[in-house]
Amino acid sequence: TQLLEQSPQFLSIQEGENLTVYCNSSSVFSSLQWYRQEPGEGPVLLVTVVTGGEVKKLKRLTFQFGDARKDSSLHITAAQTGDTGLYLCAGVGGTASKLTFGTGTRLQVTL
Amino acid sequence: GAGVSQTPSNKVTEKGKYVELRCDPISGHTALYWYRQSLGQGPEFLIYFQGTGAADDSGLPNDRFFAVRPEGSVSTLKIQRTERGDSAVYLCASSLTSGAYNEQFFGPGTRLTVL
Repeated sequence: TQLLEQSPQFLSIQEGENLTVYCNSSSVFSSLQWYRQEPGEGPVLLVTVVTGGEVKKLKRLTFQFGDARKDSSLHITAAQTGDTGLYLCAGVGGTASKLTFGTGTRLQVTL
Repeated sequence: GAGVSQTPSNKVTEKGKYVELRCDPISGHTALYWYRQSLGQGPEFLIYFQGTGAADDSGLPNDRFFAVRPEGSVSTLKIQRTERGDSAVYLCASSLTSGAYNEQFFGPGTRLTVL
């Protein structure tokens, strides 16, 4: 059972547009991570957010962790075709090592 | 540099057969994780090892699934009496050590198809 719901499930946009992906849970996590996965490959870590209310920027990507540490968002500015992929959020609870992944958002960026 | 490698990359088997999936972690990483990813979904945790011992096997779906890591490096995920519902991509990850803030590095996965 997935505890992290992502929305939207699918997103198809044109290059240059902005988008936001949401990751919501009823559970509190000690930290939350965002990954990107391309076909035939494993997920690759983009960022880890730890503090409630934290905002991190990675070039055109902005990540935010909710104040209550239950939700997060990923905003991409001026999307490029290279941003195409499956975006996954993953929560880490307490001192546990295992990741609880979200349901995923498949992004397609076209010219 | 060498990342996490998994073999085979693809495995097709018949219902009821036994399969073994192998994971070679990054050298020096003491923690190793197995996840399963069904089509169109996020990965689901199966089991993780710290060294040779299984520290958390709460994600294994039933007793047909078993994993070992006898020397604290390579791990093998074993599935007995495979069922069509076992078809998925099996991902392995490793991290320097266990704990919430250690980055996990993922392999490319083994795609298992049970006919």
